This record gives sequence, C-alpha cells and structure tokens, in this order.
Amino acid sequence: EVQLVESGGGLVKPGGSLRLSCAASGFTFSTYTMNWVRQAPGKGLEWVSSITSRPGYIYYADSVKGRFTISRDNAKNSLYLQMNSLRAEDTAVYYCARDLYDSSAYYDYWGQGTLVTVSS
Amino acid sequence: SSELTQDPAVSVALGQTVRITCQGDSLRSYYASWYHQKPGQAPALVIYGKNSRPSGIPDRFSGSSSGNTASLTITGAQAEDEAEYYCNSRDSSGDQVLFGGGTKLTVL
Repeated sequence: EVQLVESGGGLVKPGGSLRLSCAASGFTFSTYTMNWVRQAPGKGLEWVSSITSRPGYIYYADSVKGRFTISRDNAKNSLYLQMNSLRAEDTAVYYCARDLYDSSAYYDYWGQGTLVTVSS
Repeated sequence: SSELTQDPAVSVALGQTVRITCQGDSLRSYYASWYHQKPGQAPALVIYGKNSRPSGIPDRFSGSSSGNTASLTITGAQAEDEAEYYCNSRDSSGDQVLFGGGTKLTVL
C-alpha cells in the first residue's frame, strides 16, 4: 500500500525556518517525481515545488523561489522541504504528493498534510 | 495566461449530470487532471490525461478537453460527490504547475 506521511510542521515566527519531511512507503520511491503542494486555511491548492527522479531537475513556484529548497534521499525513501525566511502567507497545510508518471503533474497519492503556522 | 479559472460553485440535483469546467491557456498544450477534496481530507485524483480514472473512481466521472477548456463531468451525481473540485496542469512553459481556484459542488 502506498503511503506518504508528512512531518515537521509547527508554529514558527516570521523570518524563521522549518524543515518538512515526507516518508514514503509501498512503492519504488527513487523512480517517481515528488511534489509539495500547500493549502492555506480556507483556500485552494497551490503547487510549491517538484523534484524529479533524476537529480538536478527541480522546480519552484515563484512565491517560494529563493526561500524554499526541495530535496530527496532515495536511500531513506524521503522527501524534504527546507523553508527559510518564512512569511505569514506561507501559513498552510503542506502536502507531499506523488506524480503518477514522470513530471506529469497528475498526483495520484497524497499524504495527510502537515500544518505550518507562521505567526509572531 | 498563467492561471486556471474555475467557477466557484456549482449545484446539481441528485442523479442528474453536472459539468465542471477549467479554463486556461496551458490547457492548449497539456491535459488537466482533476481532484476532489472533502473537508478535513487530502485531495484525491479522479481524472487525469485525456480521460483516465485511477482505480476505485466510479465510471460516472469522465473528463474531456477542447481548446483552452477542460471539463469534468459527473453523470448521475451522488450525495457522496459533494466536495470541492480542483483542476491542475503544467503551465505553458512546462516548468511550473497550476491549480484552479476550485469549484464547490453541492448535490441537492
């Protein structure tokens, strides 16, 4: 059974940092493009970042470029999102999601999400 | 344009057919995928590509595309289909991913 479990969310002050993790199981993690998608409270979905199965292909939304860094550890079946210089508008539930096939943007499995709150 | 546009809300009578649309320039180059999301739950993929359904999604869900518009059709809507529906696709450059603003479907 495919499972994606996010962790690392919490309350952080504006300008602070947080590192999210997503533990994957039930599939060959190294062969899939992985993604972070967020949802602000009461709002719609917003794509944040993607990392392909081949190292070197990384993409970011303009809203997080230069502040967030996506990475993966295929040996640990894990996806990460390092978030720096956090702003109030980064407050959201952050989901990791698997691409159905390479960089299709068809997200067939999602985690349950982890809440990040940026507030003083 | 670099956005996908959806109607904020649509309603349908139980057992009737409803179409939810998504408009954007990127849809001339890429197929959309569709997700439903119920309160407190993660989104779930319901349609992707030209008109494909993941396993477990009922065949009353179908997708289509024409020009800059993608559509999700539910034929014979059920009470459990009441949810928020989102479309997405890659943007025209192919480097980023867009989501529509979502359509809240009410089944009457």
